[in-house]
Amino acid sequence: AQSVSQHNHHVILSEAASLELGCNYSYGGTVNLFWYVQYPGQHLQLLLKYFSGDPLVKGIKGFEAEFIKSKFSFNLRKPSVQWSDTAEYFCAVNARNGNKLVFGAGTILRVKS
Amino acid sequence: GAVVSQHPSWVICKSGTSVKIECRSLDFQATTMFWYRQFPKQSLMLMATSNEGSKATYEQGVEKDKFLINHASLTLSTLTVTSAHPEDSSFYICSAIPLASGNEQFFGPGTRLTVL
Repeated sequence: AQSVSQHNHHVILSEAASLELGCNYSYGGTVNLFWYVQYPGQHLQLLLKYFSGDPLVKGIKGFEAEFIKSKFSFNLRKPSVQWSDTAEYFCAVNARNGNKLVFGAGTILRVKS
Repeated sequence: GAVVSQHPSWVICKSGTSVKIECRSLDFQATTMFWYRQFPKQSLMLMATSNEGSKATYEQGVEKDKFLINHASLTLSTLTVTSAHPEDSSFYICSAIPLASGNEQFFGPGTRLTVL
C-alpha cells in the first residue's frame, strides 16, 4: 500500500527565510506526485505536480519541488517565503495508472512578518 | 475553470438524523469524484470513489451503509451520512477529475459536519 510521510508538522519561519518541506513516499511502482496548499478557510489548491520528465518542477507562487527517485522523495522548496504563504501544505501521491490520492499528514507553515 | 462546490458548507444535526452533502463540478464533467474525511490536525483520508452511473468503491474500514454515495450525473455526487453520531463529526471534502484532465483532482471547499 502507498504511504506518504511529511517530516514536520509545524514550521515557523520569518519572512524572506528559505523553505524546504520534506516528503517521502512508499510505493513499489511508478507514481505521480503532488503538493497541495490549504490557506486558512479555503479549499485545497494544487501547487505543483510531477508526472514525468524533468524532476525539478516549478509551481505557482514561486514554489518548486524536486523528485529524487532513489530517495523516494519530493521535497517542496521556496527560496524566500512571504507572510501570505502561511497555510497547510500536503504532499500526495497516486499510482501512475490510477487516480486515488494518498495524502501525507500535512505541514502547517506559519510565516512571521 | 475546474471549480468544485459543496453544499452545505457547514451543518449541525442531532444524533440519529441523516445528512446529505452535495458535491458539484460547476464548469466541467466528471465521471469520477472522491470523498475524503479530514479530522482536526490530520490529513485527508479517502473514504470512497464515486463513479457516475455505478456503485461507489469504498475504502477499507468505511461503512457503505453508513456513508451512502450517489453519483447521479456527470456533475453531481452526494454523500449521505445516515443515522449520524457524534463520532461522525468531521470535515468532509470532495474532489473531481475532469474528463479531459487525466489524474489531476480539483477539490471542493469542504463541509463541516457537527453531530450533537
